[in-house]
Amino acid sequence: AQRVTQPEKLLSVFKGAPVELKCNYSYSGSPELFWYVQYSRQRLQLLLRHISRESIKGFTADLNKGETSFHLKKPFAQEEDSAMYYCALSSGGSNYKLTFGKGTLLTVNP
Amino acid sequence: KAGVTQTPRYLIKTRGQQVTLSCSPISGHRSVSWYQQTPGQGLQFLFEYFSETQRNKGNFPGRFSGRQFSNSRSEMNVSTLELGDSALYLCASSPSGGNTEAFFGQGTRLTVV
Repeated sequence: AQRVTQPEKLLSVFKGAPVELKCNYSYSGSPELFWYVQYSRQRLQLLLRHISRESIKGFTADLNKGETSFHLKKPFAQEEDSAMYYCALSSGGSNYKLTFGKGTLLTVNP
Repeated sequence: KAGVTQTPRYLIKTRGQQVTLSCSPISGHRSVSWYQQTPGQGLQFLFEYFSETQRNKGNFPGRFSGRQFSNSRSEMNVSTLELGDSALYLCASSPSGGNTEAFFGQGTRLTVV
């Protein structure tokens, strides 16, 4: 069975501070991992995926297979980063489904 | 291009009734997935369709069903509604599923009274 755990429901930081949103996963195969974000009154949208290894809006995430983690990081948080963040794991292939963590609500204070 | 469209946006139904929700994917996308979102359980996978075939199903009772049409539009049906079915139902489309980006609709808010 595949599982995604986001240990923090809420995370509050000040503008300019570093931020790290934690994500741990459990999956027997080779995981495809994503971070999705939902800003206030907007639909859920992809922030980044591990396979593309890119930085989006200053966020990065590194897949650590040894620790089964995919933490999301940003060195200097901005107020517009305030949103709900979901880590997700895809089983891929013909047995496709996305398994989501329960999300972390990030608040960046001025 | 137009995003994923879900209709209706809001629904109120009575226990025991059935309901049908609709999802129009992004043009060219052949994979459509459905999710149930509740405050307690978060986002839970219901099922995924690709080229009119259900490829995967989550751990939901048989009252939850779906289908996909030849134009990739999808519907999900919930029969014999229960109070616990009250939730936001999200549809997502992608070109083929797998590790491709899923594009989400705004959701249908179902309230069962």
